[in-house]
Amino acid sequence: DIQLTQSPSFLSASLGDRVTMTCRASQGIATSLIWYQQKPGKAPKLLIYSASTLQSGVPSRFSGSGSGTEFTLTISSLQPEDLATYYCQHVRGYPQTFGPGTKLEIK
Amino acid sequence: EVQLVESGGALVQPGGSLRLSCVGSGFTFSDHYMDWVRQAPGQGLEWVARIRNRANKYTTEYAASAKGRFTISRDDSKNSLYLQMNSLTIEDTAIYYCARGGVAAAYDYWGQGILVTVSS
Repeated sequence: DIQLTQSPSFLSASLGDRVTMTCRASQGIATSLIWYQQKPGKAPKLLIYSASTLQSGVPSRFSGSGSGTEFTLTISSLQPEDLATYYCQHVRGYPQTFGPGTKLEIK
Repeated sequence: EVQLVESGGALVQPGGSLRLSCVGSGFTFSDHYMDWVRQAPGQGLEWVARIRNRANKYTTEYAASAKGRFTISRDDSKNSLYLQMNSLTIEDTAIYYCARGGVAAAYDYWGQGILVTVSS
């Protein structure tokens, strides 16, 4: 099975900051990587698919990059509504595992 | 507007069974593969099962934790997805989400989630 790790586990940043978080796969998955945002008490929301394609309706301050085993999610200017936990998921075969998440806090 | 609404969550004893349902609306349900994803209290997301659409012969996939105990099914005439869960253990306690498969295998819509509690 392909394992995903995310770093950091917790991230504290100030409004307006540029924020970057990483997802690493235990083996190459090309660009078969998805990013979701989950706000407290809510269902996850799709942000980015195919590692770098922004889902319709998602603010352009979110961007994704990477291929193979290392991927990043970047928020260019942190907003209050970005308080959430961010999960990556691979879709390269089964099981389609999720990473453990990065919890983003606003300073 | 696309909506997914789960139901069937309950408190059940270890070893018991439960059937979850998810009704979709606002889209052509039969066109999409559908998944169940769960989240234990305070924990991360765990993919549980997938059922493909008619064009892909309704084939299924399961996580190791679900294989042999859970059965995913669908009734396109009712726009409904199901998860039959047997031999439940405490470790199955979680919020269960149904999710719609979209472009590039991403879940573009999720239900609100339904709580399953396994406890004696």
